[in-house]
Amino acid sequence: KAGVTQTPRYLIKTRGQQVTLSCSPISGHRSVSWYQQTPGQGLQFLFEYFSETQRNKGNFPGRFSGRQFSNSRSEMNVSTLELGDSALYLCASSKGQYSYEQYFGPGTRLTVT
Amino acid sequence: AQRVTQPEKLLSVFKGAPVELKCNYSYSGSPELFWYVQYSRQRLQLLLRHISRESIKGFTADLNKGETSFHLKKPFAQEEDSAMYYCALSRSGNTPLVFGKGTRLSVIA
Repeated sequence: KAGVTQTPRYLIKTRGQQVTLSCSPISGHRSVSWYQQTPGQGLQFLFEYFSETQRNKGNFPGRFSGRQFSNSRSEMNVSTLELGDSALYLCASSKGQYSYEQYFGPGTRLTVT
Repeated sequence: AQRVTQPEKLLSVFKGAPVELKCNYSYSGSPELFWYVQYSRQRLQLLLRHISRESIKGFTADLNKGETSFHLKKPFAQEEDSAMYYCALSRSGNTPLVFGKGTRLSVIA
């Protein structure tokens, strides 16, 4: 069974630009969660989607948004990029809602210059 | 709000020595606790959860509600245990995981 895939793996953007990251969950998994990982703050929860609905949202500004499609694939978007948005963005999928056995993707390394 | 604290950023032990990775949490209710691990060049993955009370790769963790701790232990460290370890908490039900900042375990041959 293929694991969680994230595209692109690396991205360099300029301040003020926007970016869209993509996550394809494991086949059959309906829940997708997004995390931001930085050396200073560690892993911070961004949001979780289940059946195309956002179920939970972390403490991030409105510039961070996401969505989930009917095939469970998910995208997250960051608008008006700031230098502090440079991070590894991890996506995790699980079979059901609120399942804690989450399967993580390799992450997208975003660098904002 | 709930919080997970891993007081050690780096822990170095010799091969064959006992290992204890500390995790303390703040939450007044009954949490669900987990340990996730990330080996070099691999993805973050679930190691164990307190509810299952199992031993994975020789690691065990006991939830101590009195001390609000969930330390990860292994009696004899192996070189392949070198990795980044994250403790995580959920209030249970419909809340997402809260992760600690992680402890890097280095097992020296």
